[in-house]
Amino acid sequence: EAGVAQSPRYKIIEKRQSVAFWCNPISGHATLYWYQQILGQGPKLLIQFQNNGVVDDSQLPKDRFSAERLKGVDSTLKIQPAKLEDSAVYLCASSLDNNYGYTFGSGTRLTVV
Amino acid sequence: AQSVTQLDSQVPVFEEAPVELRCNYSSSVSVYLFWYVQYPNQGLQLLLKYLSGSTLVKGINGFEAEFNKSQTSFHLRKPSVHISDTAEYFCAVSASGGYQKVTFGTGTKLQVIP
Repeated sequence: EAGVAQSPRYKIIEKRQSVAFWCNPISGHATLYWYQQILGQGPKLLIQFQNNGVVDDSQLPKDRFSAERLKGVDSTLKIQPAKLEDSAVYLCASSLDNNYGYTFGSGTRLTVV
Repeated sequence: AQSVTQLDSQVPVFEEAPVELRCNYSSSVSVYLFWYVQYPNQGLQLLLKYLSGSTLVKGINGFEAEFNKSQTSFHLRKPSVHISDTAEYFCAVSASGGYQKVTFGTGTKLQVIP
């Protein structure tokens, strides 16, 4: 089966600019997650979707981050405006449910300068 | 809420030697436990998982882990490592059941020395 697709792979922007990341999960996976992985740290959940509804966005900085999952399939994560501390790898994952674990995409490495 | 602690940030080990990567978790409810591996510039890949049943779980690439409820641990082991095992390993925990949030540890970098 095809894996979780993410784009772009790399992005460099200046602070205060905006950026968007795209994720296409594995077909049939109802649950989609966005994680932020700062260098030297473990992934931190930003937002969890079940189909096109939000299950958990408690750690999403809502003043600058937004995410949507239209039609319960692919998803976009946006940052506006970006700060230096947003430099990280943004990982998208999908799953049938926890019994199966997650399948991760390769991530988008964001550098804010 | 659940949390997980990986006690070692880096573990150097010689090729063909055994290795153990330590993981302890905290939770007031029953849990699922996972180990993921991350190779450089790649996403995370599931190594193995504990959901229920046998406390010894076997995964891919010759890795295994043992769930110890009394010690709240889920240590990862491999009897003989290869150069290709050099990567970062993440322990993760969630409350049991579907669609629960998974919380990751800070990771352990395994460096296999030729």
